[in-house]
Amino acid sequence: DIQMTQSPASLSASLGETISIECRASEDIYSNLAWYQQKSGKSPQLLIYAANRLQDGVPSRFSGSGSGTQYSLKISGMQPEDEGDYFCLQGSKFPTFGGGTKLELK
Amino acid sequence: EVQLVESGGGLVQPGRSLKLSCVASGFTFSNYGMNWIRQAPGKGLEWVAYISSGSSYIYYAETVKGRFTISRDNAKNTLYLQMTSLRSEDTALYYCARRLNYGGYYFDYWGQGVMVTVSS
Repeated sequence: DIQMTQSPASLSASLGETISIECRASEDIYSNLAWYQQKSGKSPQLLIYAANRLQDGVPSRFSGSGSGTQYSLKISGMQPEDEGDYFCLQGSKFPTFGGGTKLELK
Repeated sequence: EVQLVESGGGLVQPGRSLKLSCVASGFTFSNYGMNWIRQAPGKGLEWVAYISSGSSYIYYAETVKGRFTISRDNAKNTLYLQMTSLRSEDTALYYCARRLNYGGYYFDYWGQGVMVTVSS
């Protein structure tokens, strides 16, 4: 199985701050990487897929980058509604998720 | 509007069986691969199983292989997960999720989830 190591585990950001979350794969995943947001008590929502493609309806302050084994999600200008848990997903035939990052508004 | 509604969860004793269902609406179900994904209480997400649109391709996580069976009925717009030999570590919120029609295995719509608790 491909292991996904996500960091940091938690993060506190001020309104308008730009933040980044990282995911490292145990082997090259050839940009098969997605990012999800999960708010408390809700189902995960797809933000980014194929490393840098923005899902329909997702605000443009969210962006993804990376290649090979290293990927990141950037939020350019933290908003109150961005609070929640964030997960990466490697999208191979046997998908695996990162451990998650809890993002809070400072 | 895409909707996925799971049902069939509950409390079950270790070693017993349970069958989950997921009814889809708002899209052409037969055109999409579907998945089951679970989340243990307070834990992260674990992909469980995948079935292609026409049921030709089926994959399982190693943790459930040989115990769980994914299936679908395109005429009824319904996805299933038959779970046997249940263990305490199968306790989780089970989501059905649609595979994004792009390439790779990404999940673009999720149900609200159904809770399965395995305990004596």
